[in-house]
Amino acid sequence: QVQLKESGPGLVQPSQTLSLTCTVSGFSLTSNSVHWVRQPPGKGLEWVGAIWSGGSTDYNSALKSRLSISRDTSKSQVFLKMNSLQTEDTAIYFCTRLDSWGQGVMVTVSS
Amino acid sequence: DIQMTQSPSSMSASLGDRVTITCRASQDIGNYLSWFQQKPGKSPRRMIYGATNLAAGVPSRFSGSRSGSDYSLTISSLESEDMAIYYCLQSIQYLNTFGAGTKLELK
Repeated sequence: QVQLKESGPGLVQPSQTLSLTCTVSGFSLTSNSVHWVRQPPGKGLEWVGAIWSGGSTDYNSALKSRLSISRDTSKSQVFLKMNSLQTEDTAIYFCTRLDSWGQGVMVTVSS
Repeated sequence: DIQMTQSPSSMSASLGDRVTITCRASQDIGNYLSWFQQKPGKSPRRMIYGATNLAAGVPSRFSGSRSGSDYSLTISSLESEDMAIYYCLQSIQYLNTFGAGTKLELK
């Protein structure tokens, strides 16, 4: 059974770095890509970036300078790091294989 | 980057109605187009992939089609459980893009 689960801090201070973890089960990261998607409160979905089965990454052009996605295949985990956080980064962050989604984690950027 | 223009942004329809939502791609995306359904407080659910393929477990009243750069999601006979926001996603480029969403409400 394919599962993805996000974890990380619910509150981050402005200008600080966000670190999220996506722990997957039921499939291999070396055979599947994992995406990060975010959704600000009351707004639409925004594609953040992805790590592909071969380990390469791609990022939303608007976020690329602040974003890093990596993985630990031995632990079946995918990581998102985003620096210089601003209030506009407040959102639910989902990790997804596109055919399966995590429940999402709400991240609030506030002092 | 490829832009996806989704329309309408919202619509209301009656039970049993035929409903169509459209996304237009700013560049050729072939059939690399998926449709997602999102209900309040829930994670999105993929309904259609490859422009026309029904995802597992999705009712047959949902269908996807393509005409040139226009991609459509059609619900043949609207049911109450279909009230949700629908998003398209292009994935031909490594830089994926979502449409802005269509909120479907009951009339």
